[in-house]
Amino acid sequence: DQQVKQNSPSLSVQEGRISILNCDYTNSMFDYFLWYKKYPAEGPTFLISISSIKDKNEDGRFTVFLNKSAKHLSLHIVPSQPGDSAVYFCAAWMEYGNKLVFGAGTILRVKS
Amino acid sequence: NAGVMQNPRHLVRRRGQEARLRCSPMKGHSHVYWYRQLPEEGLKFMVYLQKENIIDESGMPKERFSAEFPKEGPSILRIQQVVRGDSAAYFCASSDREGSGNTIYFGEGSWLTVV
Repeated sequence: DQQVKQNSPSLSVQEGRISILNCDYTNSMFDYFLWYKKYPAEGPTFLISISSIKDKNEDGRFTVFLNKSAKHLSLHIVPSQPGDSAVYFCAAWMEYGNKLVFGAGTILRVKS
Repeated sequence: NAGVMQNPRHLVRRRGQEARLRCSPMKGHSHVYWYRQLPEEGLKFMVYLQKENIIDESGMPKERFSAEFPKEGPSILRIQQVVRGDSAAYFCASSDREGSGNTIYFGEGSWLTVV
C-alpha cells in the first residue's frame, strides 16, 4: 500500500521556466515532509522540508507548498536549471514514527 | 569527509554467497537507517537502528537479512545466501535524533549485483 504517491513518473521543463513536482499522501498521521534529489549512481540529497503546521517553506529557488486538507504537497523550482535534472523523491514522517516513507520518485529533465 | 560513508560502493556476489555492506554515520549521529532501491522502484525502508539496538525492522525480509549497529564500528547490513532478486542499491542514512521533524542524510549507496 503506497502511502506516499508521486503520480508523474517524469517531467520535462525548459531552462528558466518553473518546475512543479507533485506528491500526494494518504495517511493523515504524516506530519513532516521532505524532498530529496537524486542523481544516478549517487545517494539522495536533502533539499527542503516542511512541517504540517505550515503551508509554505522557501529556500532559494526551491519552495514547498503543503495543502493538508487535500493531503497534497508540491515542490516548485524557479528558475529551473539543467543541473536540476535528477530524480526527485517526496518523503514523509509519521507522527511518532520511526521511518521516513518515500514516494516512487519523479524524473525531472530540464532542457537548455 | 563528514558525510555518511558506505562501502563497498559496488559488490558482485554469486548466488548463495554472503554480502556485507558497511555504513559509518555522520559524525555525531547515532541513528542509522537502511533503505533499498530495486531497479525502477523507489526507496523502501528496511531497518532503523540505534547503537546496539534494532528499533524498527519492519521492512526487513524475514529470512537471510540481518543488521547491526555495534557500540564501536560501522553499521552492517548482512545478506546471507544471496539470490538474483537481492540485486539492488542499498542506501544507509543517519540522523542525530529520532522521529518526525528529523532530516536524515544519505550515503552514496552500495550497489549489489548477484550473478
